[in-house]
Amino acid sequence: AQTVTQSQPEMSVQEAETVTLSCTYDTSESDYYLFWYKQPPSRQMILVIRQEAYKQQNATENRFSVNFQKAAKSFSLKISDSQLGDAAMYFCAYRSADGQGAQKLVFGQGTRLTINP
Amino acid sequence: DTGVSQDPRHKITKRGQNVTFRCDPISEHNRLYWYRQTLGQGPEFLTYFQNEAQLEKSRLLSDRFSAERPKGSFSTLEIQRTEQGDSAMYLCASSAHYRGLDEKLFFGSGTQLSVL
Repeated sequence: AQTVTQSQPEMSVQEAETVTLSCTYDTSESDYYLFWYKQPPSRQMILVIRQEAYKQQNATENRFSVNFQKAAKSFSLKISDSQLGDAAMYFCAYRSADGQGAQKLVFGQGTRLTINP
Repeated sequence: DTGVSQDPRHKITKRGQNVTFRCDPISEHNRLYWYRQTLGQGPEFLTYFQNEAQLEKSRLLSDRFSAERPKGSFSTLEIQRTEQGDSAMYLCASSAHYRGLDEKLFFGSGTQLSVL
């Protein structure tokens, strides 16, 4: 079974600075997807960024980028120019790339990100 | 607002009682998912539907849990004879699964269940 580990329960960063959240995963599959989700106090999970394992190029979405190291099974999230609205729980997630395409995500334990003004 | 909506937002019940939660997905979405999130943990997959068919159930879904999606629209999740270990947030999500379409999951804000 696949597992996802986030070793940083809490992180904090000064507003406008850059922060990196860590994630490692374990799988024997060669094709899969990795995600970072944000969960603010409203509780709604919001997709931040997605990476396909077969793509070597790291995904980017505006201020958010990932460092995907397939051999090391590492998938970190970098947030540049941190803003107060970035404060939330961040979850790393894994999904198998099976034929059904079901969105059965395996989540890590989460990292609580605090932005200091 | 055409997002995923869940009702109720909070539910407090006594051990042994039955509870039912409702999820209304985004209207054109044919897939609907239920996840459970316990305190301090990430969500865990419970089950999912494609239209009205329940295609998969996690081993986490004991016999006391039943989910339905009549007519492929809204879904209900019922827990019978609740136990304190059922206390968690129950998240619903939906997606549009069609060939060639990049499927994206949209989550609701969850139902927080507290079993006393």
